[in-house]
Amino acid sequence: AQKVTQAQTEISVVEKEDVTLDCVYETRDTTYYLFWYKQPPSGELVFLIRRNSFDEQNEISGRYSWNFQKSTSSFNFTITASQVVDSAVYFCALSGQGVTGANNLFFGTGTRLTVIP
Amino acid sequence: NAGVTQTPKFQVLKTGQSMTLQCAQDMNHNSMYWYRQDPGMGLRLIYYSASEGTTDKGEVPNGYNVSRLNKREFSLRLESAAPSQTSVYFCASSETGLTNEKLFFGSGTQLSVL
Repeated sequence: AQKVTQAQTEISVVEKEDVTLDCVYETRDTTYYLFWYKQPPSGELVFLIRRNSFDEQNEISGRYSWNFQKSTSSFNFTITASQVVDSAVYFCALSGQGVTGANNLFFGTGTRLTVIP
Repeated sequence: NAGVTQTPKFQVLKTGQSMTLQCAQDMNHNSMYWYRQDPGMGLRLIYYSASEGTTDKGEVPNGYNVSRLNKREFSLRLESAAPSQTSVYFCASSETGLTNEKLFFGSGTQLSVL
């Protein structure tokens, strides 16, 4: 069964600090997709990135970067020079089929990031 | 750019009452989903609709029913609300329902069942 673990429940950093959000996943699938979503205080989840299991290249998008390592089943997310607008709950998710066969996204429990000005 | 619109945003019910959560998307997506978000548990799939006219159970379907009224609309009904259904409910959509697709989410409905 698919499982995503985000061990960090809450993180607080001071503005301009770097912060890494951890994500560890479990799957028996050989082909799968990993995602990060951001949930700002407004509540709506916003897609950040998607990686497939065959592409282990790290990705950088502005202040955001992602480190995908199959050897450790991890897909960590780093924010460089954090800003107050980065304050949100961040979810890591893994694609797969649930027990009913439905295509599903399996979400971690989320990490609440607070950036202090 | 409305995207995915959910109504209502907040609702308080008494145990045993019924209600329907409405969801509509304007992106011409084929697939739509209902998730619930509970503290410490992330989001869990309740039901989904791969395409107009089809619906399937997700991880936690008990106590819910759904209707895919047309391509745009996907409603979630609680026939007899229970306190265990207190949660934040999210509707989402994706273009074709493939596992590699990103989901577009509504802003959520906060439901309390007393």
